[in-house]
Amino acid sequence: DAKTTQPPSMDCAEGRAANLPCNHSTISGNEYVYWYRQIHSQGPQYIIHGLKNNETNEMASLIITEDRKSSTLILPHATLRDTAVYYCIVRVANAGGTSYGKLTFGQGTILTVHP
Amino acid sequence: NAGVTQTPKFRILKIGQSMTLQCTQDMNHNYMYWYRQDPGMGLKLIYYSVGAGITDKGEVPNGYNVSRSTTEDFPLRLELAAPSQTSVYFCASRDRVGSPLHFGNGTRLTVT
Repeated sequence: DAKTTQPPSMDCAEGRAANLPCNHSTISGNEYVYWYRQIHSQGPQYIIHGLKNNETNEMASLIITEDRKSSTLILPHATLRDTAVYYCIVRVANAGGTSYGKLTFGQGTILTVHP
Repeated sequence: NAGVTQTPKFRILKIGQSMTLQCTQDMNHNYMYWYRQDPGMGLKLIYYSVGAGITDKGEVPNGYNVSRSTTEDFPLRLELAAPSQTSVYFCASRDRVGSPLHFGNGTRLTVT
């Protein structure tokens, strides 16, 4: 399985950019990097995903290094409502059978946005 | 579309009791998932399904069973509830490999 490593916690000032790193050094060539976040005890919310190229949507930007061994989620102007646990996950490579559908989460990064 | 719907929202079980957590989605998604989340912890994959009639174990399948007789429904069964199964259970679905997960609002289960 391609595993991810994230810092357990980060702080960010309101209005500033929040840059959340993720290491996925064992990622395979056909695996996507996904980012989700979970606010309080709600169900996780999809943010963004990418394969090789950098991606941007209305919520965030995703920067993937050229060797694909790490990525950074950028919230360009963090607000207090962005305080949440952020999960970086990688789709498990196809190892035969149904494992191509498997999707596991790590511990995530607790992002605290303060005034 | 209602998305992913989980019932019940809350449940208290006594040790040894059994119950089924219901999950249904109206997006015609092939892939469905059950996760559990213990207090202060991340999500752990219990079981998943890549289509009707096909299920597979995740990281923590012991004590649970699933079935996938239709595309829409993916119930999770606890046969002999134990205190270690006290958790919040999330069901999720997605259209295909590579597409994002859609989560339900969770079922908060307490076993005493």
